[in-house]
Amino acid sequence: GNSVTQMEGPVTLSEEAFLTINCTYTATGYPSLFWYVQYPGEGLQLLLKATKADDKGSNKGFEATYRKETTSFHLEKGSVQVSDSAVYFCALFSGGYNKLIFGAGTRLAVHP
Amino acid sequence: ETGVTQSPTHLIKTRGQQVTLRCSSQSGHNTVSWYQQALGQGPQFIFQYYREEENGRGNFPPRFSGLQFPNYSSELNVNALELDDSALYLCASSVDRGQQETQYFGPGTRLLVL
Repeated sequence: GNSVTQMEGPVTLSEEAFLTINCTYTATGYPSLFWYVQYPGEGLQLLLKATKADDKGSNKGFEATYRKETTSFHLEKGSVQVSDSAVYFCALFSGGYNKLIFGAGTRLAVHP
Repeated sequence: ETGVTQSPTHLIKTRGQQVTLRCSSQSGHNTVSWYQQALGQGPQFIFQYYREEENGRGNFPPRFSGLQFPNYSSELNVNALELDDSALYLCASSVDRGQQETQYFGPGTRLLVL
């Protein structure tokens, strides 16, 4: 079945460091892919999305490229800030079942 | 534009009780999905409602049921609560069934079952 695998956290970085959070997926067809962010005590916020191969989603300095050949959608940011500390979830949309399938989440902690 | 809202924010129940959680979809959205997020895990799909009809269901027992109203707000009902039902319950809305893949989440209701 469809699934999403994310790198385990926590990821701990210094401010202004480069961020990569790996995400790979297993799916039939070509699902749309998403990154959501969850700040402490809050719900999920849509960060970015890509709907077809080679699409690049971007928002707030974060980027991810839909790579069909490697079934990946890695999240990157060139220079993280303390305010980026949160849990990041990679997800795919399973059209046959009308649902988002999420990875387990990766906690990011950025310190000054 | 009002986002997705949920009530209550927190709830404590005891095993065997019943609970009702509420969700108001974002303005202009007619599709609502519910997810359960256990501590330290990603959200798991419970079910989706489109124009007052269930439009997909995840691997949850029948004691999890829902409703959608004509104004597209929704309820999640859980009967015979178990300890493992303790979780953050998230509601998400999308513009239409044809665009349901982009879902906007509310802040969630945190349920604790003792």
